[in-house]
Amino acid sequence: AQSVTQLGSHVSVSEGALVLLRCNYSSSVPPYLFWYVQYPNQGLQLLLKYTSAATLVKGINGFEAEFKKSETSFHLTKPSAHMSDAAEYFCAVSLSGGSNYKLTFGKGTLLTVNP
Amino acid sequence: DADVTQTPRNRITKTGKRIMLECSQTKGHDRMYWYRQDPGLGLRLIYYSFDVKDINKGEISDGYSVSRQAQAKFSLSLESAIPNQTALYFCATSDFGSNNEQFFGPGTRLTVL
Repeated sequence: AQSVTQLGSHVSVSEGALVLLRCNYSSSVPPYLFWYVQYPNQGLQLLLKYTSAATLVKGINGFEAEFKKSETSFHLTKPSAHMSDAAEYFCAVSLSGGSNYKLTFGKGTLLTVNP
Repeated sequence: DADVTQTPRNRITKTGKRIMLECSQTKGHDRMYWYRQDPGLGLRLIYYSFDVKDINKGEISDGYSVSRQAQAKFSLSLESAIPNQTALYFCATSDFGSNNEQFFGPGTRLTVL
């Protein structure tokens, strides 16, 4: 079984400030981890994924995330927020191995970027 | 052209009506999924299909049914719509052995009055 907890349903930052969106997971086997972004009135777009290779994963638009097994975390960061980063962000977990059909999503974090 | 398309994009209907939401994909993926999104609840899996002959219930399948007409097409039906089925519905696809990375359509916003 697997689950995801995103801490903070709404995060607000100033333009140019650090973005940190938190995600903790629970998984009975080594997980695959994903961050998706949803812009207003659009579907979900993959930002980055961890699939048991490098623990620091770089994604699109300057985002990155670090897999920390000891902390069961996969937090998303970006050094400098841009207005275009305003969106909702979802962390998701999948089990590695034969039963890896299912993505379990967190409840999402809405990122607001203030000028 | 988009790889995963959904029709309609918006639909308003009345309680008790039968509704069908359609999903088509050109990615050549075997696996297809239907999710619903509600504010503050994230995405929840309704049904998924590994191929045309393999359809499975997700965590919230009550009140829904699906049809996999072809590898590229996966439809979601609400037999008798009710107001608490008002939500944003997403179709997604994935490829076997892809670490379950899923590709999403643009969504269908359904309102049941």
